[in-house]
Amino acid sequence: EPEVTQTPSHQVTQMGQEVILRCVPISNHLYFYWYRQILGQKVEFLVSFYNNEISEKSEIFDDQFSVERPDGSNFTLKIRSTKLEDSAMYFCASSEARVNEQFFGPGTRLTVL
Amino acid sequence: QKEVEQNSGPLSVPEGAIASLNCTYSDRGSQSFFWYRQYSGKSPELIMSIYSNGDKEDGRFTAQLNKASQYVSLLIRDSQPSDSATYLCAVNLYNFNKFYFGSGTKLNVKP
Repeated sequence: EPEVTQTPSHQVTQMGQEVILRCVPISNHLYFYWYRQILGQKVEFLVSFYNNEISEKSEIFDDQFSVERPDGSNFTLKIRSTKLEDSAMYFCASSEARVNEQFFGPGTRLTVL
Repeated sequence: QKEVEQNSGPLSVPEGAIASLNCTYSDRGSQSFFWYRQYSGKSPELIMSIYSNGDKEDGRFTAQLNKASQYVSLLIRDSQPSDSATYLCAVNLYNFNKFYFGSGTKLNVKP
């Protein structure tokens, strides 16, 4: 069964460093998403992406964040100048269509020291 | 502010019983509704989607939607210890390409 994959599973970085989180969405899906979940809190939307551009973004998704689809399979989230409060699980998701079911990857645990 | 509310629980039920999980949402523009299961330290796993008023059944799971009352629920029949997890309600608004998640209800199924 097709699934969303994410790498790395765990990323440790120093405050102020840049990180890139990688995702491979399900191959026939057209819509891609990033969510984050701080430990013990709810899953929060960051950004959605369609047709090579951002379609929605939340207040969290400020200039520190960017997304890219560098090739036909990968979808990346870049966090510039990480802060302690960026420590969270970051989930990538994809869907076939706009209001359809979203399928989540296993997540990347980001720890900022 | 788009709110999706869930009782945090824990909801404890004996094995074999019916577990009933509830979710309310604030925005009448909400269009589609989803239930996810999340085990501790894992990602959300889709259980069911529901788009129109009424009931939708899939195996041991039944989702119920009442748009007039802004209420969506999930029933789990014949609950198993493996069903012990946090259940997340997610809502998608018309014309928005994102989900709003509730905080989740923790379910404990006791053998």
